[in-house]
Amino acid sequence: KQEVTQIPAALSVPEGENLVLNCSFTDSAIYNLQWFRQDPGKGLTSLLLIQSSQREQTSGRLNASLDKSSGRSTLYIAASQPGDSATYLCAVREVGGSNYKLTFGKGTLLTVNP
Amino acid sequence: EPEVTQTPSHQVTQMGQEVILRCVPISNHLYFYWYRQILGQKVEFLVSFYNNEISEKSEIFDDQFSVERPDGSNFTLKIRSTKLEDSAMYFCASDTGAYGYTFGSGTRLTVV
Repeated sequence: KQEVTQIPAALSVPEGENLVLNCSFTDSAIYNLQWFRQDPGKGLTSLLLIQSSQREQTSGRLNASLDKSSGRSTLYIAASQPGDSATYLCAVREVGGSNYKLTFGKGTLLTVNP
Repeated sequence: EPEVTQTPSHQVTQMGQEVILRCVPISNHLYFYWYRQILGQKVEFLVSFYNNEISEKSEIFDDQFSVERPDGSNFTLKIRSTKLEDSAMYFCASDTGAYGYTFGSGTRLTVV
């Protein structure tokens, strides 16, 4: 059974810092990996999608990498801003059949202080 | 940008009552899902729906739950007899099967 772990559980940084959020998964047979942002009491906003054949994806100040063989992904946020404060969720989609479900980590709660 | 729309945003119901949560997925998507998130816990899979039938369901999705796509645009989740432990945020999502999920903004269900 796929398990997804995110470290750290919470992170507090001053504005302007570069930071890295980590995600690990136990079964490397994944179709893709998706990073989401969740604001308190709100829905899930997709940030980046990395297909299993890709090594990284970039969008603005965000860069996500994927090392499928070691079961790891990182989300790099450059020049953090207070508006980046949210919970960041990692989710993997497994290979096979009609099953396209996602397995989520518990998330990293990021606070960027002005 | 296309959106997944969920209604209502918040629903309060008495224990034992039936609730229906509604979703309008993105029109050209083929796969539809319901997930839930109990406060402070992980987002967890409930059910996937493809080609007008359930393709997979989790152990959470017992006989109290059902899904429907009644008219080709709406996608509903029904809970027949709500329990206190059904209180959670319920998310609808859709995708093409290849390019990643789009989630709705969720329905917060409170069972009292």
